Amino acid sequence: QKEVEQDPGPLSVPEGAIVSLNCTYSNSAFQYFMWYRQYSRKGPELLMYTYSSGNKEDGRFTAQVDKSSKYISLFIRDSQPSDSATYLCAMSAASGGSNYKLTFGKGTLLTVNP
Amino acid sequence: GAVVSQHPSWVICKSGTSVKIECRSLDFQATTMFWYRQFPKQSLMLMATSNEGSKATYEQGVEKDKFLINHASLTLSTLTVTSAHPEDSSFYICSATRANYGYTFGSGTRLTVV
Repeated sequence: QKEVEQDPGPLSVPEGAIVSLNCTYSNSAFQYFMWYRQYSRKGPELLMYTYSSGNKEDGRFTAQVDKSSKYISLFIRDSQPSDSATYLCAMSAASGGSNYKLTFGKGTLLTVNP
Repeated sequence: GAVVSQHPSWVICKSGTSVKIECRSLDFQATTMFWYRQFPKQSLMLMATSNEGSKATYEQGVEKDKFLINHASLTLSTLTVTSAHPEDSSFYICSATRANYGYTFGSGTRLTVV
């Protein structure tokens, strides 16, 4: 079993739809959870950064973490064509320093159609 | 916000030559920098972790003599691909971090070895 599982999609939705992306993980040591957006041939851009369980909202984006189920989600409201990208979940056991590493999901390719 | 500059954004080189990629944190001091490799439609694979002033820690299967990493200061890390071959063609991405501030990625370098 991989440490982080993420459905690669592709996912295609109409403009204005609510998008739900999710990842599951197996390592109970993970405490920091992130969602990145990556446009083609660009580096990942941090969207959401969450510690432990709970919800976090930032504009049209909401991140949810359920540590008991080892399940994290990213919701995008009122999706726009500019949201079309690959979304990567990532997680780590520590928040920084030399002894932590990010473990990524495979990424979900999202297309929002006008 | 935190900005990481990666240069060059793309490079083409002949087989057998070496290529250097630079990663700079522009507005913060990065205690740790990471180098990733990403193949098309794949997630980021961690190659090595580098801390300023010390030797890099390489992931299993990554040749340290082929991928030379130098982290001379808190704002600069370099990856040198030595004696590059076509199979080294990939998208290389760096990230920089400091405690409790998450991970900021560079824009990536597309390396093509011909």
